[in-house]
Amino acid sequence: AQSVSQHNHHVILSEAASLELGCNYSYGGTVNLFWYVQYPGQHLQLLLKYFSGDPLVKGIKGFEAEFIKSKFSFNLRKPSVQWSDTAEYFCAVKAAGNKLTFGGGTRVLVKP
Amino acid sequence: GAGVSQSPRYKVAKRGQDVALRCDPISGHVSLFWYQQALGQGPEFLTYFQNEAQLDKSGLPSDRFFAERPEGSVSTLKIQRTQQEDSAVYLCASSTRTATYEQYFGPGTRLTVT
Repeated sequence: AQSVSQHNHHVILSEAASLELGCNYSYGGTVNLFWYVQYPGQHLQLLLKYFSGDPLVKGIKGFEAEFIKSKFSFNLRKPSVQWSDTAEYFCAVKAAGNKLTFGGGTRVLVKP
Repeated sequence: GAGVSQSPRYKVAKRGQDVALRCDPISGHVSLFWYQQALGQGPEFLTYFQNEAQLDKSGLPSDRFFAERPEGSVSTLKIQRTQQEDSAVYLCASSTRTATYEQYFGPGTRLTVT
């Protein structure tokens, strides 16, 4: 069965700092990859997704992620965070079947 | 436009009670998913419908959990004889059957079993 690991449970950083969240998955076949965000008091929203093609994908709000197949990784990045990026971030994989398998999430706190 | 809605938003049940959680997907969305999110964890897949057909129920943790979508729109997740370990947020998501395959999530129902 596929699994998804997010290395950091909590990240605290200051505004304008760069952010990188790690995500690794275990599945040897074709995958679709996603990053979801959950802002305080809100529901899960899609940040970006990778299906095929350019392994560097750009999402909303200045986020991007890079798919490295050889490393089974899909790390999320943002060059300069804002206080409004405070949220919980989830990496997810769709492999065989239609369900999403999520990582445990990373809580990001951006200090103003 | 209207997103995925879920009701109730909060539910407190005494151990042993039955509960029913409702999901209204986005109109026209063919696929509907249920996930369970325990405190401090990521969502975990429970079951999946395509129209009224339940195509995957591999994530349902026990036979106390039952889901239905009789007319291919609204879905209900029922939990019988609730136990404390059932306490979690239950998320519903819907999607179109397209290659882009984005799942749109509802706000969830927070179930607390006392």
